This record gives sequence, structure tokens and C-alpha cells, in this order.
Amino acid sequence: ELQLVESGGGSIQPGGSLRLSCAASGFTVSSNYMSWVRQAPGKGLEWVSVIFSGGSTYYADSVKGRFTISRDNSKNTLYLQMNSLRAEDTAVYYCARAAVAAARPDAFDVWGQGTMVTVSS
Amino acid sequence: QSVLTQPPSASGTPGQRVTISCSGSSSNIGNNYVYWYQRLPGTAPKLLIYRNNQRPSGVPDRFSGSKSGTSASLAISGLRSEDEADYYCAAWDDSLQVVFGGGTKLTVL
Repeated sequence: ELQLVESGGGSIQPGGSLRLSCAASGFTVSSNYMSWVRQAPGKGLEWVSVIFSGGSTYYADSVKGRFTISRDNSKNTLYLQMNSLRAEDTAVYYCARAAVAAARPDAFDVWGQGTMVTVSS
Repeated sequence: QSVLTQPPSASGTPGQRVTISCSGSSSNIGNNYVYWYQRLPGTAPKLLIYRNNQRPSGVPDRFSGSKSGTSASLAISGLRSEDEADYYCAAWDDSLQVVFGGGTKLTVL
């Protein structure tokens, strides 16, 4: 069974840092395109970042320079390092696998259950 | 403000057919595939439609997608109470970012 399990969420003060983890089972993180997507309370889905199998990374403008996506192949785990956190980063963070079609990223076909991050003083 | 534009709400009675629209631009919907995700209350998003009009295994054929130019739509026929959920359209854009619609809350009356 393909599964993603996030962890690492919690409450943090503005300006603080947090690292989210996403453990995969049933497939290999390093061979896939992996993303983070978030949903703030009462808001819609917002894409955060992607890491391609070759290692290239892309970020939403709202988090560029503050968040870093990475992976640990030995642990088959995806990470999101979040620095300089702001109140507007408060959201449920989901990791998701992007399928691949003709070497291009495709749909998010596997999702984790999400982990809540609250940024508040 | 979401890059893709969806109506915030839609509704229908059981058995009816409802459609949800999604409008974008040439750099996202126009040049790339459209995806639709369903988010039931308290659950993670689920892929409903991929590559404009393809259904993953297990998604009923009551759900269908289409795309024309820079717009797309999701149609749900034979509406059922369990279809009450939030629906999001999405697309990769030419700069390898993902853009989502703001979501449409579907109410089954």
C-alpha cells in the first residue's frame, strides 16, 4: 500500500523554525516527484514546494527563501525546513507524491493525512 | 487570491447534474493538464480527475472532467449526499509551480 505519514507539526512563535517530516512506504521518495501542499484555516489549498527525482527544487513565492524541501534517501523520508515563520504560515501541511507523465510532473496521486502548524505569539 | 478561479459554492439535489468551472490562463490551464481534487470534511485531498478528463481507479464514472482553452470544468451526475465536499482544480504552470483554484463547496440539498 502506498502511504505517506507526516509529523513534526506544532505551535511555534513568529520568527521560529520547524521541520516537518513525511515518511513514505510502498514507494521510493528519491525516484518520485514529491511536494508539500498546505491549507490555512478556512482557506483553500496552496502549493508550497516540490523536489524532483533529479534533485531540482521549486517553491511558491510566499515561502521562497524561508522554506527548504529536502529528502533522506536512506530513511525514505521527505522534509520541509521552515524558518522565519509567520502567522500566515499557519496551516495543515500535506505531503503528496506527484505522478510522472512523459518525464513531466502530473497529478498528486498519494497524499498524507497532514500535520498542523500554528504560528502564534 | 487564487490563480485559478472557481465559484465558491455550488449546490444540487440528489440525482441532479452539477458542474463546477475553473478558469486560468495560457501559462497554466492553457498549456498544461488540469486536475481535480475532492476534499471530504476532515480528510486529506483525494485525486478525482487527472490529465483533464481521466478518472483514477475507483472514482465513479459519475465524475467527469473537460478542458477547453484556458478553462476547465468538473461535472458530477447523479448527485449523491456523499458527494458533499470541497472541490479544487489545479494545474502545473510553465514555471513548474502548481496553482490551485480557491475551491468550490458543494452542498447536496
